[in-house]
Amino acid sequence: AQSVTQLGSHVSVSEGALVLLRCNYSSSVPPYLFWYVQYPNQGLQLLLKYTSAATLVKGINGFEAEFKKSETSFHLTKPSAHMSDAAEYFCAVSDQGGGYNKLIFGAGTRLAVHP
Amino acid sequence: EAQVTQNPRYLITVTGKKLTVTCSQNMNHEYMSWYRQDPGLGLRQIYYSMNVEVTDKGDVPEGYKVSRKEKRNFPLILESPSPNQTSLYFCASSPRSAGGINEQFFGPGTRLTVL
Repeated sequence: AQSVTQLGSHVSVSEGALVLLRCNYSSSVPPYLFWYVQYPNQGLQLLLKYTSAATLVKGINGFEAEFKKSETSFHLTKPSAHMSDAAEYFCAVSDQGGGYNKLIFGAGTRLAVHP
Repeated sequence: EAQVTQNPRYLITVTGKKLTVTCSQNMNHEYMSWYRQDPGLGLRQIYYSMNVEVTDKGDVPEGYKVSRKEKRNFPLILESPSPNQTSLYFCASSPRSAGGINEQFFGPGTRLTVL
């Protein structure tokens, strides 16, 4: 069965610093991987997705993620943090069994950006 | 505007008083799901539906019911709510996909408190 582990429930960075949010997955089949962002009092919004095309995936708001099969990782990065990036971020893997491709989510990482 | 709507957004109720949270999507999606979000646990799937009159249990279905009489609507029913169902609930929809690329579109969430 697929699973997702996000290392670090809270990450704090300075404005302008590199953002690195870690995600490791477990999957017995080639995975489809996603990063979602949740701003305060809002639903989840798709940042980017990996679907076995390019291993480096670019998303919205300057975020990108690299799929590394050897490390079973899909870490999210952004070169320069902005105050508006403060949110909770969820990594998810698509469970492809049972005829319905449901999402298995990690526990989430809350990103704080300070001046 | 393509969207998933949920009502109510906030609800405080008492143990045992039946309640329904509505969910509606205007994107003609086949798949719909309900998740609950709890701190440190990420999102966990409660129920899902692959089409009208087709529903199935997710990972945490105990204490919940759903129905899918129309394609656009997928209400979540708590027949006898208990305090451990205090949570943030999200409805999501997605189109049918053959290749497992399952981008889900989320509603804004319903914060439920059961006293």
